[in-house]
Amino acid sequence: DIQMTQSPSSLSASVGERVTITCRASQSINSYLNWYQQKPGKAPNLLIYTASSLQSGVPSRFSGSESGTDFTLTISSLQPEDCATYYCQQGHSYPWTFGQGTKVEIK
Amino acid sequence: EVQLVESGGGLVKPGGSLRLSCAASGFTFSDYTMNWVRQAPGKGLEWVSSITGSSSYKHYADSVKGRLTISRDNAKNSLYLQMKSLRADDTAVYYCASDRGYADFENWGLGTLVTVSS
Repeated sequence: DIQMTQSPSSLSASVGERVTITCRASQSINSYLNWYQQKPGKAPNLLIYTASSLQSGVPSRFSGSESGTDFTLTISSLQPEDCATYYCQQGHSYPWTFGQGTKVEIK
Repeated sequence: EVQLVESGGGLVKPGGSLRLSCAASGFTFSDYTMNWVRQAPGKGLEWVSSITGSSSYKHYADSVKGRLTISRDNAKNSLYLQMKSLRADDTAVYYCASDRGYADFENWGLGTLVTVSS
């Protein structure tokens, strides 16, 4: 199985600050990497698909990038409504696997 | 508007069975691979099972293989998860999610809670 290692597990940042979350795959996944946002008590919401494509309706402050087996989700200017847990997920091969999540809080 | 609505969750004893349903609307259901994803209380997301649009292919996480069975009825726009031999570690909110073909879960239901406890 492909292991997805996400870091950090939590972070606290100020409004307007740039935030970066990383996800490392245990093997090559050819850009098949998705990012989700989940708020408490809600279902996850797709933000980024195939590493860097912005899902329709998602604010442009969210972006994704990749370098080999390392993937990054960037929030360019953190907003209060971005408080949530973020998950990466590989779609390269079964079983689909998620990272352990990164909880983002406002400082 | 795309809607996915899960039902069928509840409290069940260890070793018991349960059948979850997911009613879909607002899109051509038969064109999409469908998935079940679960989340144990306070934990992360875990993919459980997938089924292609024509039901030709089904996949399962090792943790549920042989105990959970995914199926669908395209005439009823419905997805199912038959659960048997349930264990305490199956306790979770179960979400159904549609998949555009890159295992990118674009649409999710609100989830249904399954609690396995004596």
